[in-house]
Amino acid sequence: QVQLQQSGPGLVKPSQTLSLTCAISGDSVSSNSAAWNWIRQSPSRGLEWLGRTYYRSKWYNDYAVSVKSRITINPDTSKNQFSLQLNSVTPEDTAVYYCAREKRGIAVAGTWFLDLWGRGTLVTVSS
Amino acid sequence: QSVLTQPPSASGTPGQRVTISCSGSSSNIGSNTVNWYQQLPGTAPKLLIYSNNQRPSGVPDRFSGSKSGTSASLAISGLQSEDEADYYCAAWDDSLNGSWVFGGGTKLTVL
Repeated sequence: QVQLQQSGPGLVKPSQTLSLTCAISGDSVSSNSAAWNWIRQSPSRGLEWLGRTYYRSKWYNDYAVSVKSRITINPDTSKNQFSLQLNSVTPEDTAVYYCAREKRGIAVAGTWFLDLWGRGTLVTVSS
Repeated sequence: QSVLTQPPSASGTPGQRVTISCSGSSSNIGSNTVNWYQQLPGTAPKLLIYSNNQRPSGVPDRFSGSKSGTSASLAISGLQSEDEADYYCAAWDDSLNGSWVFGGGTKLTVL
């Protein structure tokens, strides 16, 4: 059974860096049929995709335009996990942060979906 | 403001059939498949429908999805009290560098 276990601080000061980790069990961060995403949810912004990392003979990253200048998502193959770093945070970055696996569809060729989500981490940006 | 548009609320009585709509554009729903999620209070979204109309194992066949053009719908038949939750649609958007986009969510109340 595949599980995603999130860890990281729940309180970050303004202007500092938000750092979260998502440990994978039952799958591989290097899988050629998966991508590993970070998504956040807040009352003001709803569900907001932040970015992803995936391996297809080499590592790739895609980031949302809204956070592209501040975000880094890194895989860690030695620990089978991936991480999120969001720099220069403000109170507007306060949200529940989720990691999620993106899988390739079988029934409909060429389709992808976010099939498995971590439990979420509430991160509050406050001094 | 969410990229995909959903009604903020929906309701029905036990046993009824309810539908939730999701409207997008040519860059998301119009060119990619739609997925639906159920979110109970305090929990992570759970995949309910993928690839427009496919159910993951364990999801009752009371839940069904469809897509036409740049819109999609989630239907729930034989409504049960445990179906009371928030429902979200999602699709990949091909604009700019690509991104997952979501609806604003529909709060379903079972009366």
